[in-house]
This record gives sequence, structure tokens and C-alpha cells, in this order.
Amino acid sequence: EPEVTQTPSHQVTQMGQEVILRCVPISNHLYFYWYRQILGQKVEFLVSFYNNEISEKSEIFDDQFSVERPDGSNFTLKIRSTKLEDSAMYFCASRGTGGGNSPLHFGNGTRLTVT
Amino acid sequence: AQKVTQAQTEISVVEKEDVTLDCVYETRDTTYYLFWYKQPPSGELVFLIRRNSFDEQNEISGRYSWNFQKSTSSFNFTITASQVVDSAVYFCARNKEYGNKLVFGAGTILRVKS
Repeated sequence: EPEVTQTPSHQVTQMGQEVILRCVPISNHLYFYWYRQILGQKVEFLVSFYNNEISEKSEIFDDQFSVERPDGSNFTLKIRSTKLEDSAMYFCASRGTGGGNSPLHFGNGTRLTVT
Repeated sequence: AQKVTQAQTEISVVEKEDVTLDCVYETRDTTYYLFWYKQPPSGELVFLIRRNSFDEQNEISGRYSWNFQKSTSSFNFTITASQVVDSAVYFCARNKEYGNKLVFGAGTILRVKS
């Protein structure tokens, strides 16, 4: 069964550094997402991306964050200058068509630790 | 905000017991979708079920069953004859018909002891 893959599985970075989290969505999917989960807390929406542009973003997704689909397969989340509070598990997700009915398929996540 | 509430923070059961995880949602939408995801200790999010607001039929899949009650805005999840491998965090979530944003509840930690 096709999967969403995320790399790396764990990234440690120093405060103020830029970090790029990488995702390869399922190949025929059209909608892409980033969510994050601070340790022990709920999963929170960050951003959705469709047709090469952001379709919705949350208030968490400020100017320090950006997303890109640099080629036909990758979908990246960049944090320009990381803060301690950015430490979390970041999940990429994708879905096909079908409106809100089609489920999101999540990757295994990247655990980001900012020191 | 149109929240999803999972009032049970943590539940502990002994293997083979049945357990029900509660989910109550808020929405102003006529058409919406409800989901359950499982997050095992390894951390990934595993899709379990989706339901649309027009389909109130209960669903059973093996030891899993779901009870959707639109009148009480609830979408509860029951595991019958629980097993240790069911130990995980379970998240209920909601989406609008054409919405992008999946809104998650806070999750319920289920611990199944042998």
C-alpha cells in the first residue's frame, strides 16, 4: 500500500538555525498538509497546499514557516529560524480527491528537537 | 471554535475487556466528516475510520465498532475484547465537506494490561 514518507525521522537543531523537513506524499494525491504535535498534546493543523499554493494556514504558521513543492514528488516544510517552542513531532499528510470525505494519510513524522 | 472533545484523558483496562472511547464534536456545518486515528507508541498516525454526517449507521470492523449519534453530536468508538496491542492514543477528528483542516480532539490514552 502506498505511503507518505518523511525524512529525517529525528532532527536536532540549535535555536536560530534553519531546518527543512521533507516529505514524499502518495504519488497520485493532490492535497498536502503539515501538522504538528507538541509532546503529549493534540495534533494541530499548520498548513494545507493544493495546486502549488497554500490553501489554508493556521495562526501557528507565521512568517518563520514556509512550504514548497520543489518538484513533482517532494513537499517540504522550512522553519527559517527555529525556536525552542518549535520542538515537536511534525507530520506530513496527503489525500486524493473526494472533498472532505477522503481521509488524510499521514507519514510517520519527523521529531524536531530544538536545543 | 468548532471543537472536538475527548473527555477521557486516559483509560486503563485489562485484556479482553470492552472499552468505549468518547468523542463529542461541535459544528455549524450541514455536511461534515468524522474520523478516528490511532497513534501507537511508535508515533505514527493510523487512519481507522471516516464517517459523513448523512450516514448514521453504526459500523463494525472486527473488534472495532463506531456509534455515530448526530442528535448528541457524538461519535464513540468501542473496542471489544481489548488486546495489549490496542494500547495507543486514539484521536477523534472532524473535517468540513470541502474543508482542508482536520480538527483533532486532545486524544485518549488507552492502556491495555495483560
